[in-house]
Amino acid sequence: DTAVSQTPKYLVTQMGNDKSIKCEQNLGHDTMYWYKQDSKKFLKIMFSYNNKELIINETVPNRFSPKSPDKAHLNLHINSLELGDSAVYFCASRFRGLDEQFFGPGTRLTVL
Amino acid sequence: SQKIEQNSEALNIQEGKTATLTCNYTNYSPAYLQWYRQDPGRGPVFLLLIRENEKEKRKERLKVTFDTTLKQSLFHITASQPADSATYLCALPLTGGGNKLTFGTGTQLKVEL
Repeated sequence: DTAVSQTPKYLVTQMGNDKSIKCEQNLGHDTMYWYKQDSKKFLKIMFSYNNKELIINETVPNRFSPKSPDKAHLNLHINSLELGDSAVYFCASRFRGLDEQFFGPGTRLTVL
Repeated sequence: SQKIEQNSEALNIQEGKTATLTCNYTNYSPAYLQWYRQDPGRGPVFLLLIRENEKEKRKERLKVTFDTTLKQSLFHITASQPADSATYLCALPLTGGGNKLTFGTGTQLKVEL
């Protein structure tokens, strides 16, 4: 009965590979987000996605692409992984009209 | 550019005391401010939201103040308990819509017996 879930929890991969992280929310929310938390614990927005409208943070490399098959899912695909992509990635969701966000448990990505 | 600052040094206090955490921001006039709690290995959990026209907000042992003149929010935990030990993040909405949040780096609180 987890509200926002992510898979996998841990992801270890080699530089240059392509990987995906999946996110699902069962709260009926209509807006979803991806955040990146670096080694210094700084949490930074990457994308927000609402009713098929994607708002991209301009600092995110185009190797990162969110994909939303439906309102309950927002997956993150990363091409040509680099060492600097190592971080914890959090998915979050929100119901329109409310400001609080619900976060998933995070996916720790390690690029070797 | 918008900037949020939280005390990066860990705050150690004794059980039963009041913990006070600070969030300062610059180049910004947010409509609201939020506080989240993050435990190791877990995602942030929403605690409180305070709007620009509110001076103070309370929830159980938590109290948040918002001073738009000083550009500062204070987060208080009264009668602190070891279970309150965590990292506390303040967050403000970025301009441009979509309710995208920008977070401070967080303050780690440790409540000792």
